[in-house]
Amino acid sequence: AQSVTQLGSHVSVSEGALVLLRCNYSSSVPPYLFWYVQYPNQGLQLLLKYTSAATLVKGINGFEAEFKKSETSFHLTKPSAHMSDAAEYFCAVSGLGGFQKLVFGTGTRLLVSP
Amino acid sequence: DAGVTQSPTHLIKTRGQHVTLRCSPISGHKSVSWYQQVLGQGPQFIFQYYEKEERGRGNFPDRFSARQFPNYSSELNVNALLLGDSALYLCASSTGPSETQYFGPGTRLLVL
Repeated sequence: AQSVTQLGSHVSVSEGALVLLRCNYSSSVPPYLFWYVQYPNQGLQLLLKYTSAATLVKGINGFEAEFKKSETSFHLTKPSAHMSDAAEYFCAVSGLGGFQKLVFGTGTRLLVSP
Repeated sequence: DAGVTQSPTHLIKTRGQHVTLRCSPISGHKSVSWYQQVLGQGPQFIFQYYEKEERGRGNFPDRFSARQFPNYSSELNVNALLLGDSALYLCASSTGPSETQYFGPGTRLLVL
């Protein structure tokens, strides 16, 4: 079975500060890992994905994440937060196989203050 | 290019009723997946369809069913609605069943 744990239901940063959103995964097979962002009253937008190529993955809007197998982690970072980054962020895992069933974490709400 | 579209955007039903939600995938995508997102939680997988065949099913009761049409659009049906079915229902499409999923805006269902 696969699962993800997102540490911290809320993270608050100041505009211009480093953003760090934590995600740890559990998977019995080599995983695919994803970060999605959800703005209020909208669907999910793909930020980035790890599919067993480079361990440092760059995504949209200046976000990146590093796959660390030894720590079973896939934390999301951005060097400098913008007000527009305020949203809900979801980490998700899927295994290799015939179909891609995404298993999501409970989400982390990022709050950005001026 | 148009993204995934879903209809309706909002829906209010009463307990015991039936509901049909619709999804049109991105052009060229042949796989559609459905997820339920209850307020304050992450999305939960309901179904995946590829080439009109069910490829995966999550842990949902038989009141939930779906189908995919020859044009790759899809319907999610829920019978005998319960208050706990109130949620945002998300549709995602992908080129194939093991490819990256792209989500639509969702249908928000409220069951009274």
